[in-house]
Amino acid sequence: AQKVTQAQTEISVVEKEDVTLDCVYETRDTTYYLFWYKQPPSGELVFLIRRNSFDEQNEISGRYSWNFQKSTSSFNFTITASQVVDSAVYFCALSEVGGATNKLIFGTGTLLAVQP
Amino acid sequence: ETGVTQTPRHLVMGMTNKKSLKCEQHLGHNAMYWYKQSAKKPLELMFVYSLEERVENNSVPSRFSPECPNSSHLFLHLHTLQPEDSALYLCASSQSLAGGLDEQFFGPGTRLTVL
Repeated sequence: AQKVTQAQTEISVVEKEDVTLDCVYETRDTTYYLFWYKQPPSGELVFLIRRNSFDEQNEISGRYSWNFQKSTSSFNFTITASQVVDSAVYFCALSEVGGATNKLIFGTGTLLAVQP
Repeated sequence: ETGVTQTPRHLVMGMTNKKSLKCEQHLGHNAMYWYKQSAKKPLELMFVYSLEERVENNSVPSRFSPECPNSSHLFLHLHTLQPEDSALYLCASSQSLAGGLDEQFFGPGTRLTVL
């Protein structure tokens, strides 16, 4: 069965600190996609990144970076020099490939609070 | 309007009421989804539509009834709900159902409270 685990329920940091959000996944598929979404207080999930299972290169986008390691089935997300606007719930998700419904399996989310 | 919109944003209803949630996507996508988000639980996929045809009903109770009259609109009709149905209901759309290739775009959700 496919599963995504975000063990950190809540994280609180002070502005300008770096913070890493952990994501561990389980799947029997050899081809899959991993996602991170941000859910600010307004409610909508905002797409941040998609990574396919064949691409283990780390990715950096501004203050955001992602570390994908198939050996440990992890896809961790780091925010450098955090800001108050980064406060949100962050979801990691896994997608089946070849399924009929583009189904996303979500973790339970990590609530990040960045204090000024 | 841009992206995915949902109305109403907040809804309070009694257990005997009938109400409907509306979702509209302005992205020209062909697939639409309903998700339920309850506290401390992963998002649960409820229904998936592709080109107005339902392709997944994820063991959702019959008191939730989806309707997709065209590829831009999706409704969730509610009747005789239970208090445990209180949650944030999110609508999403994607270009297609190609697994993983098309990211899903989400609306802001409807916060539903059942008294």
